[in-house]
Amino acid sequence: TQLLEQSPQFLSIQEGENLTVYCNSSSVFSSLQWYRQEPGEGPVLLVTVVTGGEVKKLKRLTFQFGDARKDSSLHITAAQPGDTGLYLCARFMPYNNNDMRFGAGTRLTVKP
Amino acid sequence: NAGVTQTPKFQVLKTGQSMTLQCAQDMNHEYMSWYRQDPGMGLRLIHYSVGAGITDQGEVPNGYNVSRSTTEDFPLRLLSAAPSQTSVYFCATSGTSAYEQYFGPGTRLTVT
Repeated sequence: TQLLEQSPQFLSIQEGENLTVYCNSSSVFSSLQWYRQEPGEGPVLLVTVVTGGEVKKLKRLTFQFGDARKDSSLHITAAQPGDTGLYLCARFMPYNNNDMRFGAGTRLTVKP
Repeated sequence: NAGVTQTPKFQVLKTGQSMTLQCAQDMNHEYMSWYRQDPGMGLRLIHYSVGAGITDQGEVPNGYNVSRSTTEDFPLRLLSAAPSQTSVYFCATSGTSAYEQYFGPGTRLTVT
């Protein structure tokens, strides 16, 4: 059972386009993280969101945590080829046996 | 400052063979963990450790053993490799918990 559902699974766009990817769950998160993974490398943490309704910006990337803390989105403005990679969301439950769960990811390709 | 290192980078085993995947970190982090990544499955937690001498099971621990004798090292042992263990394995560390993790470059393991 995938506790974190990410959509879309694959996304291929042209340079300069905007996009949004989603991470959803039926459970409430205490916090949620977004990672980016490039081929042949380990994931790299982009952001952690903690508060319902929170919005964080990282250059052209905007992360939003849903008010009910059950969903999150990542919006990229004016995508560039360097944004290509696998975007993973993850949730950590420190009070549930240190359980750490990742979504399956959205594989983004930005074509020049 | 190497961060998180993993060896080997690639490994091919025959069914029934044993081996140890090495993970070392120089960030003085207490929390270390092992994940496996399979296509369409995201990362799944195998084992984790909150400090030297303390280990615990994650989501998919069967077929794997770990120990944590020092803060720096967290090896993952496969006692009798099976084809189902073909995967990419990542080690990760964090300062106090899994809250914000730093991943190694991964070990690609094939069991034939």
